[in-house]
Amino acid sequence: NAGVTQTPKFQVLKTGQSMTLQCAQDMNHNSMYWYRQDPGMGLRLIYYSASEGTTDKGEVPNGYNVSRLNKREFSLRLESAAPSQTSVYFCASRTGGLYGYTFGSGTRLTVV
Amino acid sequence: KNEVEQSPQNLTAQEGEFITINCSYSVGISALHWLQQHPGGGIVSLFMLSSGKKKHGRLIATINIQEKHSSLHITASHPRDSAVYICAVETSGSRLTFGEGTQLTVNP
Repeated sequence: NAGVTQTPKFQVLKTGQSMTLQCAQDMNHNSMYWYRQDPGMGLRLIYYSASEGTTDKGEVPNGYNVSRLNKREFSLRLESAAPSQTSVYFCASRTGGLYGYTFGSGTRLTVV
Repeated sequence: KNEVEQSPQNLTAQEGEFITINCSYSVGISALHWLQQHPGGGIVSLFMLSSGKKKHGRLIATINIQEKHSSLHITASHPRDSAVYICAVETSGSRLTFGEGTQLTVNP
């Protein structure tokens, strides 16, 4: 099925561990985004990529890095996980400013 | 004060009722989005609008740019409409700023 695929769906990390969240879309969208969702705060933008080969910081980039590997894939890396990074992470994509967003199903990350 | 405010935060309705969720924002926007988040967590885009009104099935979204206000209406509500409804405004650079969401519960 066409859409945005995120892996893994669930992950538990120990403080200081690293991991990469994967996101892939098969809709030939130009722009891709990483958001985190925390109770009482709504979704917040971590990083985004307006097109292949470009990435930019969002509202809450500290502690994260991203890679736009190709047009399809946009990964989010936590180099040294902290309990404050416990959250639900969503990847999204869109083809351009005239169209809506397509979201992945989310990754629930717990850092202990 | 948040840039995007939704009301109410929680809403309980009986099946068949007409439902309205409101969204007010304080910044200049290029578009406003309504999203639906199901209990399982997935997020679905319902509407993107920059003026006027859009309708899809039982859902209607309106926006008043001058008043910086949008509403999402659900006609003939059904228990399967139970979800969190999120308003998000799009500003320069296609960035989205999200409201905290409205939890809707429709009882049979």
